[in-house]
Amino acid sequence: GENVEQHPSTLSVQEGDSAVIKCTYSDSASNYFPWYKQELGKGPQLIIDIRSNVGEKKDQRIAVTLNKTAKHFSLHITETQPEDSAVYFCAASKRDDKIIFGKGTRLHILP
Amino acid sequence: GAGVSQSPSNKVTEKGKDVELRCDPISGHTALYWYRQSLGQGLEFLIYFQGNSAPDKSGLPSDRFSAERTGGSVSTLTIQRTQQEDSAVYLCASSLVWERSEQYFGPGTRLTVT
Repeated sequence: GENVEQHPSTLSVQEGDSAVIKCTYSDSASNYFPWYKQELGKGPQLIIDIRSNVGEKKDQRIAVTLNKTAKHFSLHITETQPEDSAVYFCAASKRDDKIIFGKGTRLHILP
Repeated sequence: GAGVSQSPSNKVTEKGKDVELRCDPISGHTALYWYRQSLGQGLEFLIYFQGNSAPDKSGLPSDRFSAERTGGSVSTLTIQRTQQEDSAVYLCASSLVWERSEQYFGPGTRLTVT
């Protein structure tokens, strides 16, 4: 079955700097890659997703890139702000199968 | 509109007792998922329901865990003879369709087994 690895498990960046979280997946048939953000005491919430027919997608300060050949995808957050502090999960899924989540990255934005 | 709701928000129970956790998905969502999140850990898949199809129970950790979804809407996760290792946050999510679709999560139920 699909296996999603996520790195790093913890990331601290200075406010205003960029943050990058990387994930790899094992099943080449996976074609949908969402990213979720979980704030303290809340359930995860989708922030951006990408499908395998594109290599990059951007929404304001966040962007996701996908390399199908290498089977890895990344989340990029630019101009980080205190409200970006949270746990971020990557995930992968394919047709007719459930979504598989990575183990999460705890992002700390330092003042 | 209303999001996914879960009840209770917190549950403290004694080891060996049974507990029931409830999830009310977003109206019209055909898929419903249960996850377990231990302190500081990732999302452990437990079970999902999709329409009238047989549920995927492949993530249930033992036969003490069961879930049902009545009328394609409300779902109940039952844990029998609770153990201390069952202590975690149990999250429910629903989606419009089950594959490659945004999941909307509830706030979770924090279960503490003493």
